[in-house]
Amino acid sequence: QQQVKQSPQSLIVQKGGISIINCAYENTAFDYFPWYQQFPGKGPALLIAIRPDVSEKKEGRFTISFNKSAKQFSLHIMDSQPGDSATYFCAAGIGNEKLTFGTGTRLTIIP
Amino acid sequence: DAGITQSPRHKVTETGTPVTLRCHQTENHRYMYWYRQDPGHGLRLIHYSYGVKDTDKGEVSDGYSVSRSKTEDFLLTLESATSSQTSVYFCATLDPFGSNQPQHFGDGTRLSIL
Repeated sequence: QQQVKQSPQSLIVQKGGISIINCAYENTAFDYFPWYQQFPGKGPALLIAIRPDVSEKKEGRFTISFNKSAKQFSLHIMDSQPGDSATYFCAAGIGNEKLTFGTGTRLTIIP
Repeated sequence: DAGITQSPRHKVTETGTPVTLRCHQTENHRYMYWYRQDPGHGLRLIHYSYGVKDTDKGEVSDGYSVSRSKTEDFLLTLESATSSQTSVYFCATLDPFGSNQPQHFGDGTRLSIL
């Protein structure tokens, strides 16, 4: 089975700190790696995505770091804010048509 | 989001009863998906559709069937619901021809089977 392993399961970060969530994948054919953000009662929404031709992608306070040789990618949230408190899912796929999701990380930002 | 409406939003039913969940989209996206979300499992693909009357199985399709007779509607049916199918169900759509388009999700249906 094509798995995507995500850690940690839950994370508590102080306001202004850096939140880091990690994912690892097995299928070397994967070429699309999105991160989704989900608030309670809502569906997941795309936060940021990366293709393996670059090692890093930054959008505002959110950065994806990608290590192709290690088959790992991570989400970094700089200057974390209470509004970032949500569940985050990594995913991987061959293109964006069929994704395999990680198990999710519940992030809580405390004042 | 992206014009996706799931109905009902909440449903409680009994084991053995049939259940149909509906996903309606206004974006004219060709691809549609049904996922279930469970603690510790993330999102798992049940079935997907790549066009009207074209559907295929996902990772956890046993006990579920789907139908897509119109571009805008994708139905998920549990023929005889079991307690293991208690979950939150999400529909998603995708425009496969858009450059770097993501899958867009509805707000889910919370289904409880007693």
